[in-house]
This record gives sequence, structure tokens and C-alpha cells, in this order.
Amino acid sequence: GAVVSQHPSRVICKSGTSVKIECRSLDFQATTMFWYRQFPKKSLMLMATSNEGSKATYEQGVEKDKFLINHASLTLSTLTVTSAHPEDSSFYICSASRESNYGYTFGSGTRLTVV
Amino acid sequence: QKEVEQNSGPLSVPEGAIASLNCTYSDRGSQSFFWYRQYSGKSPELIMFIYSNGDKEDGRFTAQLNKASQYVSLLIRDSQPSDSATYLCAVSGNTPLVFGKGTRLSVIA
Repeated sequence: GAVVSQHPSRVICKSGTSVKIECRSLDFQATTMFWYRQFPKKSLMLMATSNEGSKATYEQGVEKDKFLINHASLTLSTLTVTSAHPEDSSFYICSASRESNYGYTFGSGTRLTVV
Repeated sequence: QKEVEQNSGPLSVPEGAIASLNCTYSDRGSQSFFWYRQYSGKSPELIMFIYSNGDKEDGRFTAQLNKASQYVSLLIRDSQPSDSATYLCAVSGNTPLVFGKGTRLSVIA
């Protein structure tokens, strides 16, 4: 149990365009999902906490107008990278927890390359 | 600021040896402790979690927790080359998981 599906796994887009990444909890309901970003050989950095039915909570330094998060249902959260630039190229990973303090299950990640 | 500290490594051990990975955390209110393994280019996968002081064993893995010392460790017995990865320590209380930067383990055949 506790399967989290994320797609696309890999996307290449042109600078200035927007990219949407989906994160689904397949066998449980997740009122909260998390979005992380990881640059090569760097640690996971929490970008935002996605709350079902309400606004996301962004970490300091993360532009909420650039990284749009929508958590419209208990099984789906989306991250849209708007007006992408090459510096946004990174590995984006979502996660969710079946129960509090249980530990998070991660999606398989999305490798974004902006050219 | 809640912090989780890990030695970045690389930690190199010969095949068959015990690998010992360590982690300290700053928030005394932390309640749950997790070890994730992350292969290069992949997302992390949960391998162990521990809530209570002491040892917890699962196959070749043993997690150890000492809340008084704010210290959690992961032992990998009979290390295999396939164990070569980055191991992330994560800690939570009533807030989202806080991750350490990870320790890179290299098991030499």
C-alpha cells in the first residue's frame, strides 16, 4: 500500500513555457502532499506543502506565483512551473503520507529540463 | 530552525562488512525517525522507521534511536554493492519531515 504516482517522469520544455506535474496517491487519501526539488548531488529541499481544499504553504525563498500548486482532491496535487527558465531545471519529487508520523511515500520524480 | 545533520561521506566499506550511518537532530520534540535510500537519479524509498528508544531490526538493517542524545543510526549488515546509494535521515514531529543532506555509501566488491 501507500503508492504515490507522479508523472511525467521526464520533460523537456522551452524557456518561457509552463509545465504541469501531477502527483496522485493511488491507494489512500492524502490531505497533505509535499513537493520537493533536488539539484544534482544536492539534498532534497522542501518547496511547499500542498493542502487539499486550501492554499499551499510555501517555504521561504520559493516563489508561489512561479510554482503554482493545486490540491483539488484527496488524491491529486499538481505543481505547475510557470514561465520556466533553465535555472528551474531540476528533479521535482512529490510525497504523501497515509498517516501522520508514518513516513512519506515518494513519487518517482520528474526530471525537468528547460532549454 | 529544525536541523538534521549527517556526514556527507562518501563512506566506503568492503562487501560483507557492516556499514554504520549516523544522524543527529536538533528538535527534542521530534517523534518519528526515518531512513530513506536514494539511488542516483531516483526518488527516495523508505527502508526503516523508528519511534522508540533502542534498536529496531528488519533483515540486514538495524535502526538505533537515542532520544536523550538526539541521535539515530542505521546499521547495514553484510553490505552488498547494491546497497551503494545515498542514505537520508528524516525526522518529524508535528511538522513536515526534515531531511538531512544524506550520506553517500559505497560498498566495494
